[in-house]
Order: sequence, then C-alpha cells, then structure tokens
Amino acid sequence: GESVGLHLPTLSVQEGDNSIINCAYSNSASDYFIWYKQESGKGPQFIIDIRSNMDKRQGQRVTVLLNKTVKHLSLQIAATQPGDSAVYFCAENVDAGGTSYGKLTFGQGTILTVHP
Amino acid sequence: DTAVSQTPKYLVTQMGNDKSIKCEQNLGHDTMYWYKQDSKKFLKIMFSYNNKELIINETVPNRFSPKSPDKAHLNLHINSLELGDSAVYFCASSQDVTGPEQYFGPGTRLTVT
Repeated sequence: GESVGLHLPTLSVQEGDNSIINCAYSNSASDYFIWYKQESGKGPQFIIDIRSNMDKRQGQRVTVLLNKTVKHLSLQIAATQPGDSAVYFCAENVDAGGTSYGKLTFGQGTILTVHP
Repeated sequence: DTAVSQTPKYLVTQMGNDKSIKCEQNLGHDTMYWYKQDSKKFLKIMFSYNNKELIINETVPNRFSPKSPDKAHLNLHINSLELGDSAVYFCASSQDVTGPEQYFGPGTRLTVT
C-alpha cells in the first residue's frame, strides 16, 4: 500500500473510536498552527487551526489542543470514520515581526488508518 | 468550480529536459505558493508570490524558475531536470501574504527517468 517504505508514524483505529494524532513543533515563536489532511493522490486539505493565544479549539468532530509549555499539538477526531483515513500534517507559522509572510513549516505527517 | 488547479497531473520526462507546471486559483487570493513533497511525504515550501512579486525563495536551485503572469496564476518552470527532482509538486494560495491558511491544488507528480 501507500505506506510501505514511508516510515511515518501510523495510527490504526476501529471505526467509531476516537483518534488522537500528536505533533511536536520546534519554534517557540510560532503563532499559528494548522492541521491538514491529505488523502491518497490529493493535495493537503485544511481541517482546523489554532492561534498561540489559545489552548483548545473545537470544530466538527475535531478538537485541536495546544500545549506551548512542551511545544506539543494534538488533533482529536471523534467517532472516526473510514473516510478519515489519510495522512495528517501539522503545520506551524512563525510571526517574525510580520516578516514570516505566511510561511508554513510542515511536520512529518501521521498515517491514520480506520478499519470498518 | 475548482479552487486551485494544476496541470498536468502527471509528468514523466527524461533527465536534462525542461518542463513547466501550471497553476491557477479562482479564489481571488493575493498570494500563491509552490511546495515540493518527496517520497517520504515531507512537504517543503519552495516559493511564494504576492501579487506577482516573489517574496519567498527557499534556496531552491536556480534551475527552478517560478513565473506569475498575474495574481491568479503561478507557473513553475524547471530546466535540466535531474533524477532528484522527481516528487509531487503542489501549488497553494492564501488570501494575503500573512494568511497562514493555504488552499492546495491536487498536485503534479513529476517523474524523471
């Protein structure tokens, strides 16, 4: 399958379970974080974002948690469905006094597989 | 009604050739980007343009030359293709130069043989 040889972190869950995907970021100056979902053969798709002045944000079936102390970000997906199977990326944006120009740095990605 | 489109979707070519990938966005965004995704799924920014002006150039070899004829289009031309250029190239756009929320195209899978 697509994951062969990729050596990305993987998470396998059963349909209906909750999923938690983790991400460690590197730059304490990052002011904005985004989770993207990339399905096979497609471009990354925006899921949810969070600013650095928040520690939690909820969307439809998804919640993002931000722990700035340990520079950790997580994406929780409730009642995971087979259609959620994809590679999930966290991305950070650094506001260097307005000169970052929306430059996103992406994490390595996590493969989520949902079994019916 | 595709938001960000790229052509071609697949591109197979030989080393040494020159090729172009085209990107168009109909979102009315000011800023466009090119990313490269390698075989390990690592996604890295290459360039960004804001209103036809280059604002990010991430030390990409000068064989890669982006061109923005207008703010809705950002094309990528690659000269003297090398095996290591094989990857999936994604175009993206955002509302403005500070907008971190970026919308991605479907990607162009480039294979250099």
